[in-house]
Amino acid sequence: EVQLVESGGGLAQPGGSLRLSCAASGFTFNTYWMHWVRLAPGKGLVWVSRINSDGSITTYADSVKGRFTISRDNAKNTLYLQMNSLRTEDTAVYYCARGAQQDYWGRGTLVTVSS
Amino acid sequence: QSVLTQPPSASGTPGQRVTISCSGSSSNIGSKTVNWYQQLPGTAPKLVIYTNDQRPSGVPDRFSGSKSGTSASLAISGLQSEDEADYYCASWDDSLNGWVFGGGTKLTVL
Repeated sequence: EVQLVESGGGLAQPGGSLRLSCAASGFTFNTYWMHWVRLAPGKGLVWVSRINSDGSITTYADSVKGRFTISRDNAKNTLYLQMNSLRTEDTAVYYCARGAQQDYWGRGTLVTVSS
Repeated sequence: QSVLTQPPSASGTPGQRVTISCSGSSSNIGSKTVNWYQQLPGTAPKLVIYTNDQRPSGVPDRFSGSKSGTSASLAISGLQSEDEADYYCASWDDSLNGWVFGGGTKLTVL
């Protein structure tokens, strides 16, 4: 069974940092692109970033470019999102999703940016 | 404001057929495929249609998708109470070099 479990969310101050993790199981992690997508309160889904299977290609939404870094450790079957220079508008539930079609999603981890 | 445009709400009675639209442009839907996701309250999004009109294993055939030009649609026939959820369309955008989602449509089963 495919499982994606996010962790690392919490409360951060504006300008602060958080590192999210997504532990994957039930599939061959190192053969899939992976994505981060977020859902802010009262808003719709917004794509954040993606990374290819070996980590050599990364792409970011303009809203997070230069502040967030996506990475992966295929030996640990884990996807990461390093979030720096956090803003209040980054407050959202962050989901990891599998593959080019984003066919499986985790349950998300809540990030709250507030002073 | 989302790059892909969806109606904020839709509704139907049990057994009815409802359609949700998704409008884009030549840089996304007009040249790329469309996916649809269902999100029940407090749960993870679930892929219900991919590559415009393909259903993943386990998704009932009551769900169907179509695409024409720069627009796409999700149709749900034989509406059931468990279909009440938020629905999102998504596509790759060549101009933005990223995935774009619609703003979501809240489907209410009356």
